[in-house]
Amino acid sequence: GAGVSQSPRYKVAKRGQDVALRCDPISGHVSLFWYQQALGQGPEFLTYFQNEAQLDKSGLPSDRFFAERPEGSVSTLKIQRTQQEDSAVYLCASSLAGRDTGELFFGEGSRLTVL
Amino acid sequence: GDSVTQMEGPVTLSEEACLTINCTYTATGYPSLFWYVQYPGEGLQLLLKATKADDKGSNKGFEATYRKETTSFHLEKGSVQVSDSAVYFCALIRPSGGSYIPTFGRGTSLIVHP
Repeated sequence: GAGVSQSPRYKVAKRGQDVALRCDPISGHVSLFWYQQALGQGPEFLTYFQNEAQLDKSGLPSDRFFAERPEGSVSTLKIQRTQQEDSAVYLCASSLAGRDTGELFFGEGSRLTVL
Repeated sequence: GDSVTQMEGPVTLSEEACLTINCTYTATGYPSLFWYVQYPGEGLQLLLKATKADDKGSNKGFEATYRKETTSFHLEKGSVQVSDSAVYFCALIRPSGGSYIPTFGRGTSLIVHP
């Protein structure tokens, strides 16, 4: 597609529910990142994929968070048993292969509100 | 670990005023430095970058110079427009092994009044 697409744009969940957030990166982009952005804060790194391989998941805040990218394209971030502190905007970004380009292309984000 | 510190916002200016948004970083080695911008209702997008000391990145009238001696990468524009109203994020990236993870500051909101 023309840009990074994320869905849903808005999600309201009751505490304890499971949610799944989808990211469709730019076609051909090898690298895919997930970030969490709390209100008034900058993006905080969650996890990174190169193709289907999850190379870094050091930012996932707990074992309730799980991400996958099984075919090296679309990625899903799953949050189990959601808590109020999970309320944030979840950003997906993709980039061409390359170790030091630094140019990420971001989606508009999925805003999660946990009641 | 690596970190980026930005000045607190919001920064409120009148149109045609000068802008400086301060950014300092902490990192081992020699990171590449970036400014991203987020316009209302849109995703973050790259504004400019610099990959080594004394490099100057520029785009859309914005500039930033990579200062290794002061570990800074301040964003400047000589004459802001209403359309520059947005949130600006300073970021760094440092290659490490076979991967790299961009680290972002908390963002600085800019409001430009006509």
